[in-house]
Order: sequence, then C-alpha cells, then structure tokens
Amino acid sequence: AIRMTQSPSSFSASTGDRVTITCRASQGISSYLAWYQQKPGKAPKLLIYAASTLQSGVPSRFSGSGSGTDFTLTISCLQSEDFATYYCQQYYSTPKTFGQGTKVEIK
Amino acid sequence: QVQLVESGGGVVQPGGSLRLSCAASGFTFSSYGMHWVRQAPGKGLEWVAFIRYDGSNKYYADSVKGRFTISRDNSKNTLYLQMNSLRAEDTAVYYCAKDSGSIAAAGTWGDYWGQGTLVTVSS
Repeated sequence: AIRMTQSPSSFSASTGDRVTITCRASQGISSYLAWYQQKPGKAPKLLIYAASTLQSGVPSRFSGSGSGTDFTLTISCLQSEDFATYYCQQYYSTPKTFGQGTKVEIK
Repeated sequence: QVQLVESGGGVVQPGGSLRLSCAASGFTFSSYGMHWVRQAPGKGLEWVAFIRYDGSNKYYADSVKGRFTISRDNSKNTLYLQMNSLRAEDTAVYYCAKDSGSIAAAGTWGDYWGQGTLVTVSS
C-alpha cells in the first residue's frame, strides 16, 4: 500500500496567515491526490482533487500543487472557519490511503 | 442536492455482525461508484471499501478483507456494508461517500459524504 505522510501533524496560526501543509507519497502517484477538510464532529469535505483542481464552491484562498510524490495545500489568508483538520488522500491505487491529518489550531 | 444518510450503527460484541446502510438521493445513484470510509475515535480517516456503479467490481482494505462485504441496491438507491467477525479495532464512525464518477475502475475521490454512523465493538 502507498503510504501518505503529512507534515506537520499540527500547528498554530493566526487569522490572515498564509499556511502550507505538505503531503508526501511513498511512491509516485502522478496527480492522483485529493485534499479534505474536517471539522470536529462533521464529515470530511472535499477541497481539491487532481492535486490542484478546486472543488466547486470552495473559496479561492485554497490551492493545491505538486505531482509525483510531493504535494502541498496552501491557504493564502487563513479565515476563522478554516481552523480544522486537513487530510490528503491518494487514489492512484487501491487501497486509497489517507495521510494522518494536519490539525490547524488558533494561535 | 446530494444527500447521503447512513444508518445501522450501534453497539455489538466482538465476533458479532452488523449491516450498515447508506440511503442516497439528489443524484443518479446507479451511475456512480461508492465508498465506505471509517474513523476511529480521535484518529484519522481510513478507506474501507469501494463498489463500482453497477456492483461489478469491489475493493477492500486489507484490514477488513474477508470480513466485510460492500454491496448496493440500485433500485433502492442504497449502499450497504455487511460487517462480520467484528473486532474492537473496528470501532469507528463509518462514512459513505459518493465517488467522483470518473471512468477509473477502482474509484477515485469522494466528492460528497454522509454524516456517518457510529459502530462500537465492545463486550
């Protein structure tokens, strides 16, 4: 199975900050990567697919980049509603593994 | 609008069985693959299983292979997960998710998710 490793596991940031989360695959997955946001007690919400394509309705402050083994999710100007846990997922092969998550907390 | 509603969770003893359901509406259910994903308390997301739009292909995580069975009834717009030989480590919230619908045989990402149903395996 492909292992997905996110970094950092958690960090604190302030509203207005530019933040970047990294996801690394244990082998090349082309651009077969999705990003999700999850708030406590809620279902995950799709943000980005195909590494850089923004899901309809997702604010443009979210962006994704990368291909092969290294990917990033960037939030250009952190808003209060963005404090959540973020997961990457590869769908290059089965099982469709997730990263362990990155929790973004309020500083 | 797309709606997915899971049901069937509860408390079950180790070794027991449970069947989860996911009622779908707001899209043509018979045209999309579907996933089950779970999340143990305080832990991350774990993909569990996928079924193609017509039920012709099914895929499972190694952790559930041989114990869980994914199925669907397109006439009822409902997805199922039959869980047998349950273990304490199967305790989790189980989510169903609609696949994006690309032509990939083994599925892609989940673009819509239900709110989940909690399964607790405990004696």
